[in-house]
This record gives sequence, C-alpha cells and structure tokens, in this order.
Amino acid sequence: AQSVAQPEDQVKVAEGNPLTVKCTYSVSGNPYLFWYVQYPNRGLQFLLKYITGDNLVKGSYGFEAEFNKSQTSFHLKKPSALVSDSALYFCAVRLGGYNKLIFGAGTRLAVHP
Amino acid sequence: GAGVSQSPRYKVAKRGQDVALRCDPISGHVSLFWYQQALGQGPEFLTYFQNEAQLDKSGLPSDRFFAERPEGSVSTLKIQRTQQEDSAVYLCASSYQGEVESAPLHFGNGTRLTVT
Repeated sequence: AQSVAQPEDQVKVAEGNPLTVKCTYSVSGNPYLFWYVQYPNRGLQFLLKYITGDNLVKGSYGFEAEFNKSQTSFHLKKPSALVSDSALYFCAVRLGGYNKLIFGAGTRLAVHP
Repeated sequence: GAGVSQSPRYKVAKRGQDVALRCDPISGHVSLFWYQQALGQGPEFLTYFQNEAQLDKSGLPSDRFFAERPEGSVSTLKIQRTQQEDSAVYLCASSYQGEVESAPLHFGNGTRLTVT
C-alpha cells in the first residue's frame, strides 16, 4: 500500500538554527511528494512538491526538501529557523490521476527564541 | 476572496442529529476534495469530485456520510445521525485540473464538528 511516514511527532529547534522534518514514503512507481504546513485553526498551506527533476526542491518561506530515491525519503529543511515557522507540517504522496493526496500523521515544529 | 471558503466554522451537534457542511471552492477549480482530520492526526481522504461528478467516495466511513456538488461548484458534506466518533475537523480543498498535473490543493480553514 502507498503511504507516507513522519517518524517524529515533534521537532524542537532554536531560532537561527537549521531545521529538518523527516518524511519517508512507500509508493509504487514514481512518487509525487508534497509538503504542507498548518497553522492553528487554519487549513493546510502548500509549501513545495517534487514531481521529477532536481532532487532539491525549493518552496515557500525559504523551505526546501531533498528527494532521496534510494532512501525513499523527502525531508523538509530550512537553513535558519524562525519562531514564526512553528506549526504542524505534513508530508503527502499523490495517488491516482487526480491529485488525491495521502497525508502523514504530521510533525509539530517548535522554534524557540 | 480568492480562497476556499467553508461554513460554518464551528458546529456542535447532539448525537443523532444531521449536519450539513458547506464548501465554496476557488472559482474555476474543477477538482474538489473532502478530508476528515481527527485531533492530532493528518487529514484522511473522504471523497473527490470532478465538476459535478463524484469520482471517488472510497474514504467515506459509513453510509451516514453523503457528499454532493450538483452544479460543479459549491459542495455539501452531509452527515446523518451523527455519532461522537464523527467529531473532527472537516477540510475542503480544490485544485485546478487540466494540463497542469499535480497542481497543489488549496484548502479551506475547515469546519470543526463536535458531537455531544
């Protein structure tokens, strides 16, 4: 079955430090992978996606993600964290031909001053 | 207002009541999705529409859940005889579908349903 896993419930980093939020996937065929962010009492906002091409994908708000086929991973990264980055982050994989997304359980990112 | 709009924002229902949740997608978006997000969990797929056609309802948890999009724009998710386990945030998302494959989903802020 196609799925995504986010092994960390929570990630804590200090402001200004680099951050990584982990995601691994299990899909048949070429994966279409996404990262979304959710702020309190809000819907999900698209950050970035990997379809094909360069393994390093750049997205919104300075985030980037690295696709690693051999490790079946798609980790989200940012060189320098901001307190305002504190939110819930979801990795997702696309199924089917109409953008149906299957989401991981989410990782709560806490950036402290 | 160019975003996906959902109403009501909050809904409290007594067990056994019927509820209707509304979604106004972004104008021109062909694809519309409903997701259910339980507390502390990721969104779970419920159903998908392409225009007015419901092409996938494999995620609907029971026959008490029903969704429609009669004119290919506004959609309504109806839950009959609500149960406590239906308490969750219901998210609607839309996307442009055409030549742009894997266009990102645009989510509304959701409806938080609490069944007492």
